Amino acid sequence: NAGVTQTPKFQVLKTGQSMTLQCAQDMNHNSMYWYRQDPGMGLRLIYYSASEGTTDKGEVPNGYNVSRLNKREFSLRLESAAPSQTSVYFCASSEGAGGVPNYGYTFGSGTRLTVV
Amino acid sequence: GEDVEQSLFLSVREGDSSVINCTYTDSSSTYLYWYKQEPGAGLQLLTYIFSNMDMKQDQRLTVLLNKKDKHLSLRIADTQTGDSAIYFCAEGATPLVFGKGTRLSVIA
Repeated sequence: NAGVTQTPKFQVLKTGQSMTLQCAQDMNHNSMYWYRQDPGMGLRLIYYSASEGTTDKGEVPNGYNVSRLNKREFSLRLESAAPSQTSVYFCASSEGAGGVPNYGYTFGSGTRLTVV
Repeated sequence: GEDVEQSLFLSVREGDSSVINCTYTDSSSTYLYWYKQEPGAGLQLLTYIFSNMDMKQDQRLTVLLNKKDKHLSLRIADTQTGDSAIYFCAEGATPLVFGKGTRLSVIA
């Protein structure tokens, strides 16, 4: 019963370093999403992939890139980390194609990233 | 654009009912959702309501939808300490838009 798996769970980066956050789902979902959660800001969408082979920008895409490697996997890359990217990152997936969520999203447990 | 508004905090006594309110802007949303986030965890789908319904009941949870006023509420009956969490309202289709979350504190 894995659902959505995110790795790593915790990470500390120095300013300017790069890293990739990994996300994989085993529910054969079509759509996948990356959100960041900051105190008082709720969840903000970074990028999403409505279906395999497509990606679209969300509300806060600057400083990030994504890759929909296959139907299961959707990675988020920080090319040059900045302190403003300190946050908790959540990956989610949904059954609906075209980003239409049928009965909601399934979330991973999050990656807590600190950039110093 | 789409927007979802929630109050940020709610405090209730154990055994009382909790009511968490949400207003939204996208009248074309087919479904509206409530998610629960416990400390250190991801969001978990709590319940959802189809837009042509006024009410949905699921054990201790009651969802009320007022489409005219674009108002959604979540009532938790007999609130327990285990209900302490952040509750998010969400609407939309492509993709979901979340409110900032309401932190529910249950006092024993």
